[in-house]
Amino acid sequence: DAKTTQPPSMDCAEGRAANLPCNHSTISGNEYVYWYRQIHSQGPQYIIHGLKNNETNEMASLIITEDRKSSTLILPHATLRDTAVYYCIVRRDMRFGAGTRLTVKP
Amino acid sequence: GAVVSQHPSRVICKSGTSVKIECRSLDFQATTMFWYRQFPKQSLMLMATSNEGSKATYEQGVEKDKFLINHASLTLSTLTVTSAHPEDSSFYICSARDLGGGAISIDTQYFGPGTRLTVL
Repeated sequence: DAKTTQPPSMDCAEGRAANLPCNHSTISGNEYVYWYRQIHSQGPQYIIHGLKNNETNEMASLIITEDRKSSTLILPHATLRDTAVYYCIVRRDMRFGAGTRLTVKP
Repeated sequence: GAVVSQHPSRVICKSGTSVKIECRSLDFQATTMFWYRQFPKQSLMLMATSNEGSKATYEQGVEKDKFLINHASLTLSTLTVTSAHPEDSSFYICSARDLGGGAISIDTQYFGPGTRLTVL
C-alpha cells in the first residue's frame, strides 16, 4: 500500500491559487489518488480523485505527474472558507496521513 | 447525492455505559463502511472496516469486544462503544463506499459528519 507525504502547513492569500503538493512515490499502477479536506469538527469532504490524467471539477483541479509519484491539488481562487486540513490518499483502504493544514488569509 | 448521516451528532454518557452510533448512506448503497476515531489535533485513525453481512475487520490495537460493529444492510452500519470510559471520549466518523452503477464514482468514500462522544 502506498504512503503519502504532505507538508504540514501552508498559507495562501485570499483570491490567489492554493497549490497543495503530495508525494506518493510507492503508488501502484491501479491506485487512484484521492483528495479530501476536513474543516474543524466536521467529517472529511470529498474533493476530487484521479488515476493518470489531470482532473477538474467545480471545487478544484488535480494535476498528477506522468510517473504518478506526486500530485498537486489546486484551488484556483482560495477563499477564507477553504481553510481546512487537506488529505491526499492513495490507499484503497483509506488510511489517513497527517495532511496539510491550509490557512487562507485575507 | 452521496450523503452519509450519523446519529447522534453529540452524546454525553456516564462511565460504564454503552453508546450506539448509527451511520447511514442516504442515497446510495454501500457494501463497505469504515469507522474512524479522531482525537484533538490529530488525523483520523481507522478503527475497522465493515462489510455488509459479514464480520468487521478491526485494525491492530482496536478491541473488537469493546467496539462492536454491525453492518446489517447496505445502508446502515452501527458502532457500539461498550462499557465506555473517559479515554474513549473522541470524535467518531464513519464513511461509506458506493456499490457503484450509479452517478457516484465507485470506490470513492463519503464521510458522515461525525459523532462527538464525551464519557464522564
